[in-house]
Amino acid sequence: LAKTTQPISMDSYEGQEVNITCSHNNIATNDYITWYQQFPSQGPRFIIQGYKTKVTNEVASLFIPADRKSSTLSLPRVSLSDTAVYYCLVGAYTNAGKSTFGDGTTLTVKP
Amino acid sequence: GAVVSQHPSRVICKSGTSVKIECRSLDFQATTMFWYRQFPKKSLMLMATSNEGSKATYEQGVEKDKFLINHASLTLSTLTVTSAHPEDSSFYICSAQGPDTEAFFGQGTRLTVV
Repeated sequence: LAKTTQPISMDSYEGQEVNITCSHNNIATNDYITWYQQFPSQGPRFIIQGYKTKVTNEVASLFIPADRKSSTLSLPRVSLSDTAVYYCLVGAYTNAGKSTFGDGTTLTVKP
Repeated sequence: GAVVSQHPSRVICKSGTSVKIECRSLDFQATTMFWYRQFPKKSLMLMATSNEGSKATYEQGVEKDKFLINHASLTLSTLTVTSAHPEDSSFYICSAQGPDTEAFFGQGTRLTVV
């Protein structure tokens, strides 16, 4: 299973765009990249998943360069409620639940 | 997205007793379910993987006789912490995955053993 590396913490202010980068140098050919958000005492919530290039949904964008050794989660115009831990997971699409959780990035949004 | 319901959300039990945690997929068939444990300010640690109708596969270091997992149907998996002790106190989270879906997580269960 590919190991991921993320910054331990990030600070931002309301209304700013936040980009969280994840390194996964050993990503395998059939691995997908999935990002989850977790609030204290809650289970992780799916944010976005991608394989290559760019994926966008109603809450975030995911940028994946051609070599797929890293990915960047982009959160547009964050609010206080986006303060949470964000996890980047790498694993086979059909076995995403078995992907290893790294340490995650604690994002703190300030007013 | 799909809904995974975990029950109870919080439980306190006496040392030596057993506690059962349920994980249900409400609107899809979960061919695979996963159980995690999370300590305060730490990441999730995968404990075991269960496929419907078969025995669970436990991660290294997880006692299968301590943490009994049953996945009897495509919508329900249970984790039973047997003879619980204070060191078993933790946040337990399940996730469920269909044959062609990403994994969806339950809301977690806070277990406190006193």
